[in-house]
Amino acid sequence: EPEVTQTPSHQVTQMGQEVILRCVPISNHLYFYWYRQILGQKVEFLVSFYNNEISEKSEIFDDQFSVERPDGSNFTLKIRSTKLEDSAMYFCASRRRVRTGPVNTEAFFGQGTRLTVV
Amino acid sequence: QQQVKQSPQSLIVQKGGISIINCAYENTAFDYFPWYQQFPGKGPALLIAIRPDVSEKKEGRFTISFNKSAKQFSLHIMDSQPGDSATYFCAAFEAGGTSYGKLTFGQGTILTVHP
Repeated sequence: EPEVTQTPSHQVTQMGQEVILRCVPISNHLYFYWYRQILGQKVEFLVSFYNNEISEKSEIFDDQFSVERPDGSNFTLKIRSTKLEDSAMYFCASRRRVRTGPVNTEAFFGQGTRLTVV
Repeated sequence: QQQVKQSPQSLIVQKGGISIINCAYENTAFDYFPWYQQFPGKGPALLIAIRPDVSEKKEGRFTISFNKSAKQFSLHIMDSQPGDSATYFCAAFEAGGTSYGKLTFGQGTILTVHP
């Protein structure tokens, strides 16, 4: 069964350092997303990406964040200068379409990358 | 406007009992309401979903009840099992218009089913 894969599973970084979280979405999917979940809290939307550009982003997704799809398979989230409050679980998700006629399509989530900023 | 409010935060149920989780929303543009199940260390996985043109959807032991006028929906887990112990998130999104499929999640409910 196709799945979204994320690497690494756990990343520890020093405050102020840059991190890149990597995701390989399902191969025929067209819509890509990053979400984050601070421990014990709800899953929050960060950014959506379609047709090689950001289609929507949340207030959380400030200038410290960027996304890229450098080739046909990877989708990355970069945090330029990490802060303690960036510590969270980051989930990548992908979707084939938003809607096919009346049918909504499922978003598939990866296992997540736990980012710990120390 | 964009929030989805979920309750309770945690729920303890005996094996065989019924688990009920409730959600409410404000944005009337939401037109798709999925429920996700998340086990520790895993990503959310779609459990069941409903569109607002139906009032109920059942899949096995899981049922979504939807009240469009009240802007509320709920998940019922019948005959709850210890294996159902997980965190459950309701979510919503606008599938039409200019939406790119962004999900808005509720706060989550930690369900514990005791044997």
